[in-house]
Amino acid sequence: ELKVEQNPLFLSMQEGKNYTIYCNYSTTSDRLYWYRQDPGKSLESLFVLLSNGAVKQEGRLMASLDTKARLSTLHITAAVHDLSATYFCAVTLRGTASKLTFGTGTRLQVTL
Amino acid sequence: GAVVSQHPSRVICKSGTSVKIECRSLDFQATTMFWYRQFPKKSLMLMATSNEGSKATYEQGVEKDKFLINHASLTLSTLTVTSAHPEDSSFYICSVDRGIGYTFGSGTRLTVV
Repeated sequence: ELKVEQNPLFLSMQEGKNYTIYCNYSTTSDRLYWYRQDPGKSLESLFVLLSNGAVKQEGRLMASLDTKARLSTLHITAAVHDLSATYFCAVTLRGTASKLTFGTGTRLQVTL
Repeated sequence: GAVVSQHPSRVICKSGTSVKIECRSLDFQATTMFWYRQFPKKSLMLMATSNEGSKATYEQGVEKDKFLINHASLTLSTLTVTSAHPEDSSFYICSVDRGIGYTFGSGTRLTVV
């Protein structure tokens, strides 16, 4: 059974600070995704990582993937209040025809 | 990008009644759609995979007779929560796999009173 864990579960950080969210998964995966969810809303796609060593950046967010360690990171640079949201990683398990398994989620609160 | 329309966005129903939620893929022919459930402050849990023209595949622990899924066309999948109870109150989200990524519906907040 594929398990996807994130840490921390909750993160409170000041504007301007840097921090990293970690996503560990238990078995070999095809793809890893990062999503953002605002309260009461659906999911917004941030990144898809396809191979070992993949790195993608958009604004203050950068995601990376280490398939050997089964680890992905989402790094936040110089956080701003608008980044406050819940962030989920999700993976597809090889051979399961695109079923997504979500991580536990990290609720990020950026304070002024 | 792909647009997935989900209706209703919010519904309140009485205990014992049934509720139908629609998920439409507006610009992509989807042979497969996915239904998720999300409880407050929790992650998304896959309920079932909806297959066009055939039976849905349910995840372990999800009652197929309670959560009826119909995927009659390449653009529409419906989830009917039958004989709803307060514990079925949740946020239900559909998604479409476009091969290059997933697009999610806007979600349906179901409250059973």
